[in-house]
Amino acid sequence: AQRVTQPEKLLSVFKGAPVELKCNYSYSGSPELFWYVQYSRQRLQLLLRHISRESIKGFTADLNKGETSFHLKKPFAQEEDSAMYYCALSDSGAGSYQLTFGKGTKLSVIP
Amino acid sequence: DVKVTQSSRYLVKRTGEKVFLECVQDMDHENMFWYRQDPGLGLRLIYFSYDVKMKEKGDIPEGYSVSREKKERFSLILESASTNQTSMYLCASSLYISIQYFGAGTRLSVL
Repeated sequence: AQRVTQPEKLLSVFKGAPVELKCNYSYSGSPELFWYVQYSRQRLQLLLRHISRESIKGFTADLNKGETSFHLKKPFAQEEDSAMYYCALSDSGAGSYQLTFGKGTKLSVIP
Repeated sequence: DVKVTQSSRYLVKRTGEKVFLECVQDMDHENMFWYRQDPGLGLRLIYFSYDVKMKEKGDIPEGYSVSREKKERFSLILESASTNQTSMYLCASSLYISIQYFGAGTRLSVL
């Protein structure tokens, strides 16, 4: 069964410091990985997906199949990055469009 | 602009009541999902539907049922609400890929 692990429930960093939100997965096939973000009082929304290989709001994430990881990184944290972040995995290779979510990491950026 | 609308932001119900949570999407999406979101547990899939009148169990279907009579509407039903069903409920929809669009959520309290 597929599983997504986010080892940190809470991550606090100072403004301007680098950020790394960890995500590890277990999946036997070819996964599609995503990061979703939920800002305070806003709905959950897609931040980025590994297929796109793009930077969104300064965040990047690289899929490392050898380490089965998809860590989210940003070189300089901003206060507006404070939010709940969820890593998710899709079983799309099997023709299904379900997402398996991690338990989430709350990022707090200290001014 | 993509829109997923959940009929209620807050609901308070009594133990044993039958509860309906409604979700409507205006994007002509095939797939719709119901999750519950609990602190420390992340998002857990309750049920999903990939077509009208079709439904599939997710990870935690016990105590819930769903209805999808029209493509744009997906209802979650708690047949007999219990206190352990107090939670935030999120509805989502997607097309043929795994990018899901979420509603604002319904916070249900069962007393």
